[in-house]
Amino acid sequence: QKEVEQDPGPLSVPEGAIVSLNCTYSNSAFQYFMWYRQYSRKGPELLMYTYSSGNKEDGRFTAQVDKSSKYISLFIRDSQPSDSATYLCAMIPWYSSASKIIFGSGTRLSIRP
Amino acid sequence: DSGVTQTPKHLITATGQRVTLRCSPRSGDLSVYWYQQSLDQGLQFLIQYYNGEERAKGNILERFSAQQFPDLHSELNLSSLELGDSALYFCASSVAGGSGANVLTFGAGSRLTVL
Repeated sequence: QKEVEQDPGPLSVPEGAIVSLNCTYSNSAFQYFMWYRQYSRKGPELLMYTYSSGNKEDGRFTAQVDKSSKYISLFIRDSQPSDSATYLCAMIPWYSSASKIIFGSGTRLSIRP
Repeated sequence: DSGVTQTPKHLITATGQRVTLRCSPRSGDLSVYWYQQSLDQGLQFLIQYYNGEERAKGNILERFSAQQFPDLHSELNLSSLELGDSALYFCASSVAGGSGANVLTFGAGSRLTVL
């Protein structure tokens, strides 16, 4: 079993829809949670960074962490065709640093105009 | 532009050959990380350098080596190349410490094709 599980998709939704992307994990030591967006043939770019549990909002993006369920989510409101990309969740244990970051396999998202 | 520069963007070579990938970190970042991304393996951590010294090692093959120079740029050397080494190789950098050290800024990647 992988430490971080992420549905690879692809996920296709119409423009304007609310998108929900999720990851589950098994290591209770994970304390830092991130979402990266990766466009085709580009490097991943950080979208959201959260520490421990709770919600964080940034424009149309909301990240949620539920440590009791070992489940994290990224919500995208009013989705746009420019949101079409692969979304990678990533996590780091509390006792470690970025060299121990574990990435999910990524969910490919397509927003239909 | 993320501020992390990788060259070359695309490289095609033959099995058994050796290649060098180059990375310049974002200004002010002291740590450089190398990742390999293939379709079936996702993003795999290879190695980290901090201010010229090896800091952490991941699933890096013995045929691969890296170094970070005094000007903080880094090179990843891949030798005795095999077909399975075909992948995207990413460099990422981060600041020295604090929570910012957990935030990686990635370059655009070097696409290696081994024929």
